[in-house]
This record gives sequence, C-alpha cells and structure tokens, in this order.
Amino acid sequence: EVQLVESGGGLVQPGGSLRLSCAASGFTLRSYSMNWVRQAPGKGLEWVSYISSTSRSIHYADSVRGRFTISRDNAKDSLYLQMNSLRVEDTAVYYCARLQAAYSSGWYFDHWGQGALVTVSS
Amino acid sequence: DIQMTQSPSSLSASVGDRVTITCRASQSISNFLNWYQQKPGKAPKVLIYAASSLQSGVPSRFSGSGSGTDFTLIISSLQPEDFATYYCQQGYSSPPLTFGGGTKVEIK
Repeated sequence: EVQLVESGGGLVQPGGSLRLSCAASGFTLRSYSMNWVRQAPGKGLEWVSYISSTSRSIHYADSVRGRFTISRDNAKDSLYLQMNSLRVEDTAVYYCARLQAAYSSGWYFDHWGQGALVTVSS
Repeated sequence: DIQMTQSPSSLSASVGDRVTITCRASQSISNFLNWYQQKPGKAPKVLIYAASSLQSGVPSRFSGSGSGTDFTLIISSLQPEDFATYYCQQGYSSPPLTFGGGTKVEIK
C-alpha cells in the first residue's frame, strides 16, 4: 500500500524557518516525481513545488520561489521542503503528493499524504 | 501560466440528483484535465484523470468529459458520501500545475 506521511509542521513566527519531511513507503520513491501542495484555512488547493525523480528538474510557485527549497533523498525514501522567511500567508496544511506523468494521461497527483499544518503567527 | 476557472463555486443538491460541475482552462490543455474530491479534514483524492478516465476504485456514477478548454464532471446520482468539495487541475504543461477554485457540493 502506498503511504506518504508528512511531519515537521508547527507554529513559527513570521520570518522564521521550518522543514517539512514526507516519508514514502509502499512504492519505489526514486521512480516518481514528487510535489508539495498546500491549502490555507478555508481556501482551495495551491501547488507549491515539484521535484523530478532524479532532482534534476525543480519548479516553484511564484509565491514561494526564493524562500522555499524542495529536495529529496531517494535512499531514505524521503521528500523535504525547507521553508525560510515564512510569512503569515504561508499558513496552511502542506501535502506531499506523488505525481503520475505519462504521455497519454498528462500529469496528475495519484497519492497524497495526510498533511502537515504550518502556522505562521506572532 | 494556465488559469483554471470552476463553476459554480458551490451548489446545493439532494440525494439522487444529477450534479454537473464545469471547469474552463485559459488555453487549450487537450484532454489533460483531472478531477479531485476532498472531504473536510482529509487529503484530496483523484477521481478522474485525462478528462474521462476513472481512477481505480472510483464509483461509476462519476464521469468526466471535455477537451480543449471546457470540461465537465458529472455525478449521475448523488449519494450521501459525495457531499464534498471538488477541484479540477490541469495536467497539460510542466509546473505550475494549477487547480481550479473548487466547487462545494452541499446537502439541500
């Protein structure tokens, strides 16, 4: 069974830093691109960041570029999101999500973690 | 970046109703449109990918159609467990992988 389990969320002051982790099991992490998607309280889904299976390709949403860094350790079956210079508007549940990508089906998220809550507040 | 617009943003319906949700892309995305269902406090779950392909385990009362810029999600006979928020997402281009704003389906 595919499982994604986020950890590392919590309360942090504006300007602070936090590192999220996502532990993968039930599949071979190195075979998949991975993403972070967030959801502010009462709001919709916002894609945050993408990393290819080999870490060769990385993308960020404009809202986090320059402040967040995505990385992965395939040997440890883990995905990470380093979040620096946090703002109140970064408050959200952060989900890691596995990406299915194929020529015939396009790109979609087929498995999600349960989410980690990040609260940025003074 | 490709923008995704869903309508309506919310709707009220009764068990057994046929429900239709639409999603429009700001440019053609071929058939690379995905639908997700999210219940309160839970992670989203993919229902349909590539506009009309049903994800394994998803009931057949869910169906999707469309291509280019206009897409539709249909629930043929709404069940109690279907009350949730539904999101579309474009899977056409490399990131950003944008979502629509969501449609909340509530009990009438």
